[in-house]
Amino acid sequence: AQSVTQLGSHVSVSEGALVLLRCNYSSSVPPYLFWYVQYPNQGLQLLLKYTSAATLVKGINGFEAEFKKSETSFHLTKPSAHMSDAAEYFCAVSENSGGSNYKLTFGKGTLLTVNP
Amino acid sequence: AAGVIQSPRHLIKEKRETATLKCYPIPRHDTVYWYQQGPGQDPQFLISFYEKMQSDKGSIPDRFSAQQFSDYHSELNMSSLELGDSALYFCASSVSPGLAGGRGADTQYFGPGTRLTVL
Repeated sequence: AQSVTQLGSHVSVSEGALVLLRCNYSSSVPPYLFWYVQYPNQGLQLLLKYTSAATLVKGINGFEAEFKKSETSFHLTKPSAHMSDAAEYFCAVSENSGGSNYKLTFGKGTLLTVNP
Repeated sequence: AAGVIQSPRHLIKEKRETATLKCYPIPRHDTVYWYQQGPGQDPQFLISFYEKMQSDKGSIPDRFSAQQFSDYHSELNMSSLELGDSALYFCASSVSPGLAGGRGADTQYFGPGTRLTVL
């Protein structure tokens, strides 16, 4: 089974500082990887996804992630944090369990706090 | 753009009662997934449907059942509710690889969730 590990359950940065959220995956086949963001009491919003087209993936709100096969990593970055980025971030891997089914397996999440 | 609709948004039930959660996928999406997110937890896959047939099953209790109807909406039925069932239940929809041109693992779009509280 595929899995993802998010290093750091809580990351705190200052406004304007670099954001780096770490995600490592385990997969026996080329993975499909996703980053979702969850604001308090809201649903999951897709930030970006990797589907093997390009190793550097750009998403919404200035976020990007780089797929590194040698390191089995898919870290999320943003050059300059904004107060509105404060949220929980989930890394997920898509696993084909037969036919057309691609269930998501999520990491434990990283809570991002942005300090003024 | 149309999004995934879930109803109700909030639900309060007593132990041993039943609950029905509804999900309306994005138009032309043929696959529906259900996830459960406990307090402070990551979402856990429950069950999925493709073209009205169950396609995969995760950590879903036998007390829960679900189905997808001819209009592609889905319902999650939960019986003999327990305190531990209190959670946020998400529905997600996507386009199957066939409709997506064979790309595989198309994006799952999540609804806002139903927050179930069991007292």
